[in-house]
Amino acid sequence: GAGVSQSPRYKVTKRGQDVALRCDPISGHVSLYWYRQALGQGPEFLTYFNYEAQQDKSGLPNDRFSAERPEGSISTLTIQRTEQRDSAMYRCASSLEQGAFETQYFGPGTRLLVL
Amino acid sequence: AQSVSQHNHHVILSEAASLELGCNYSYGGTVNLFWYVQYPGQHLQLLLKYFSGDPLVKGIKGFEAEFIKSKFSFNLRKPSVQWSDTAEYFCAVNRGGGADGLTFGKGTHLIIQP
Repeated sequence: GAGVSQSPRYKVTKRGQDVALRCDPISGHVSLYWYRQALGQGPEFLTYFNYEAQQDKSGLPNDRFSAERPEGSISTLTIQRTEQRDSAMYRCASSLEQGAFETQYFGPGTRLLVL
Repeated sequence: AQSVSQHNHHVILSEAASLELGCNYSYGGTVNLFWYVQYPGQHLQLLLKYFSGDPLVKGIKGFEAEFIKSKFSFNLRKPSVQWSDTAEYFCAVNRGGGADGLTFGKGTHLIIQP
């Protein structure tokens, strides 16, 4: 079946603009995760959802970052008033069940460049 | 907060050589441990994972990892690498029974020379 999809794959924006990154998880997957990966680093956890409920947003760097998953399927990560330091690969993952041991299936990522 | 250290950022090996990639984590409680791989042009995918039981875990493509609790380590091994193993390898951890977000190491870029 289809894997996790993310859109757009690439996004170039000017500093100060808002961006919305979309994640479409594998159908039926309960949990959805967002990560950010800077060049030369491993993915850094941002937030995750079980169904539509946001469980942990401790990794969101500041209040310019927010995420939602209103119907328990597609999720949107929004960055307001983007800054150059927000440039990174944003990765989404989903897992069939909730739980720390569940395998997370990753999407292709959205590469964000803030000029 | 937990953290993950991967000892080598770049490793270059010849085909048929043996591989061991180091991973250490800092968290004193129960953990779940993972190795993910990203082949060129592909998504991150799971190689193997451990949460309890036999500390020697076998994964896909002939990879295995050993959890040594006393050393806080979860090293990845493969007895004989192939050119197709060229990829970036990430060790990751989360707390057993706790928050589900993964903490990743910085990754090891493995290049296999034919």
